Amino acid sequence: QVQLVQSGAEVKKPGASVKVSCKASGYTFTSYGISWVRQAPGQGLEWMGWISAYNGNTNYAQKLQGRVTMTTDTSTSTAYMELRSLRSDDTAVYYCARGAQLLYNERPFDYWGQGTLVTVSS
Amino acid sequence: SYVLTQPPSVSVAPGKTARITCGGNNIGSKSVHWYQQKPGQAPVLVIYYDSDRPSGIPERFSGSNSGNTATLTISRVEAGDEADYYCQVWDSSSDWVFGGGTKLTVL
Repeated sequence: QVQLVQSGAEVKKPGASVKVSCKASGYTFTSYGISWVRQAPGQGLEWMGWISAYNGNTNYAQKLQGRVTMTTDTSTSTAYMELRSLRSDDTAVYYCARGAQLLYNERPFDYWGQGTLVTVSS
Repeated sequence: SYVLTQPPSVSVAPGKTARITCGGNNIGSKSVHWYQQKPGQAPVLVIYYDSDRPSGIPERFSGSNSGNTATLTISRVEAGDEADYYCQVWDSSSDWVFGGGTKLTVL
């Protein structure tokens, strides 16, 4: 069965960086992409960006450009999301979700990780 | 940027029909996906490409999309359907966009 298993909760200070992992199993990793979605406490879902596990192409949300980097390791079927220069309003649950292999594809997010809570606090 | 508008809350009695709307400019020309999220859990896809249902999702869940409004319909509502529901579209200028979410309360 398809599974996306994320790394554990993190507590970071303002200005630091965080790197969240998402290990995929149960499907051919390179046949899909991974999107990252975050949810601040009590708020809605916010799409952060996408990476193709097929060719490494990325597409980031404009508001996070310059602060976020998404990568994959196809040898371990793992996707990573690094967010830098953390601020208090980056406190959120971060989800990875399986999506399209290629850019500009409307394929839905059919499987999601369990979420990783990132808390930014001094 | 493209905006999706959902009502913050919808209430329905058990056994009745709930309709959750998602408004957007000419949304009928886009593919709409719907997610259900229960407290403390990750979202789950319940409707994709306007009206298709993933395996394991009850037939009570259906979707439609036309003009400026997409609608998620839940028939014969059960207590277990109480959750937040989000619509989603892909837009060429905004990439992936989510609606603000609707909290479904089963009375």
